[in-house]
Amino acid sequence: NAGVTQTPKFQVLKTGQSMTLQCAQDMNHEYMSWYRQDPGMGLRLIHYSVGAGITDQGEVPNGYNVSRSTTEDFPLRLLSAAPSQTSVYFCASSYSGGRILYEQYFGPGTRLTVT
Amino acid sequence: GENVEQHPSTLSVQEGDSAVIKCTYSDSASNYFPWYKQELGKRPQLIIDIRSNVGEKKDQRIAVTLNKTAKHFSLHITETQPEDSAVYFCAAIRNNDMRFGAGTRLTVKP
Repeated sequence: NAGVTQTPKFQVLKTGQSMTLQCAQDMNHEYMSWYRQDPGMGLRLIHYSVGAGITDQGEVPNGYNVSRSTTEDFPLRLLSAAPSQTSVYFCASSYSGGRILYEQYFGPGTRLTVT
Repeated sequence: GENVEQHPSTLSVQEGDSAVIKCTYSDSASNYFPWYKQELGKRPQLIIDIRSNVGEKKDQRIAVTLNKTAKHFSLHITETQPEDSAVYFCAAIRNNDMRFGAGTRLTVKP
């Protein structure tokens, strides 16, 4: 199993550009999520999904869109990049028993810089 | 929404000593409390977790305690080793919404 994979590993954008961060998992996990990690602030939940066709907002959803058309993929779209979105982005997945979450497996991260 | 506070932000111990990291949470409906370890430049990895129906859980040198009344939980690492040096994050989960503490940088001096 590849686990959770993310592409790209590094990305530089100019202000106003849009892009999609890719995330895929091969563990048949129902739950997938996106976090951003900034120095001194831990990880903050952007969006999450409990299954195909179902998404919900987390703590910091503004400026980001997600969709979940398959169990395996959960892309994160930046609509109009801003310098404040410079961060490391982690995707994670876990088995979910309804409202019960289990261990989350994180991808390797994408380091995004917006100039 | 849930708010998780973590202390201390940095912790330095001698090899062989114990380390304790504490977290408090605000939402009494939170029911799952994992701890993650993140080494420099790497992804977070789960080291131990506890659910709200359990007061304590232990796995070799690592233990977690939960006090639901006071809404705080703690990570205990005994007999620390240099490879325990990393950033540790606590988290609290309610209804699939996971909130992390800001992290504790643990340094174990040989």
